[in-house]
Amino acid sequence: DADVTQTPRNRITKTGKRIMLECSQTKGHDRMYWYRQDPGLGLRLIYYSFDVKDINKGEISDGYSVSRQAQAKFSLSLESAIPNQTALYFCATSSLGGGASTDTQYFGPGTRLTVL
Amino acid sequence: EDQVTQSPEALRLQEGESSSLNCSYTVSGLRGLFWYRQDPGKGPEFLFTLYSAGEEKEKERLKATLTKKESFLHITAPKPEDSATYLCAVRNSNTGKLIFGQGTTLQVKP
Repeated sequence: DADVTQTPRNRITKTGKRIMLECSQTKGHDRMYWYRQDPGLGLRLIYYSFDVKDINKGEISDGYSVSRQAQAKFSLSLESAIPNQTALYFCATSSLGGGASTDTQYFGPGTRLTVL
Repeated sequence: EDQVTQSPEALRLQEGESSSLNCSYTVSGLRGLFWYRQDPGKGPEFLFTLYSAGEEKEKERLKATLTKKESFLHITAPKPEDSATYLCAVRNSNTGKLIFGQGTTLQVKP
């Protein structure tokens, strides 16, 4: 079973609709992230959460909101989707443990979102 | 401003033809340089973390090296299954955030 799962894997929606993307992890990590990936622009951070009560904006948070329902669950919402939010969305997790592999981020399989 | 630049954008190799991918970076305090592999339609898969200049790490046909300004991912005798996009990222020690490059898409032909 995958350590980081995302649902849905593909979604087509219309402009103005509200949509939620969900992320679950079984890695036991305390930190979770949402990124979007666009051709030619690389991965950009939308929001991140270091624990259940901690939510922080990334570099491109406008038009998005998040909810950390539990340590293992982190959801991303688009309140009113617009076409330029068409992209690949990835959830990632990490843990600030000890050792050389401290805070390495591990990614989910992604959600392909199309806004018409 | 923190920045990561990867070159080339695309690379085509024949099977067995060794080469290197470059990742140049500027960051206000480096706390790790990361290499990921990404297959089409999938999430990035973690390969290596390097923390200090002179450090090297190897995994099968891949070897990553780090200097104060750049990192190289050396691919020795590549196989078609090494075809993927390779992403480089640096972590800012002040913010803790990762800054990704745009990736190098590698195609290895049999």
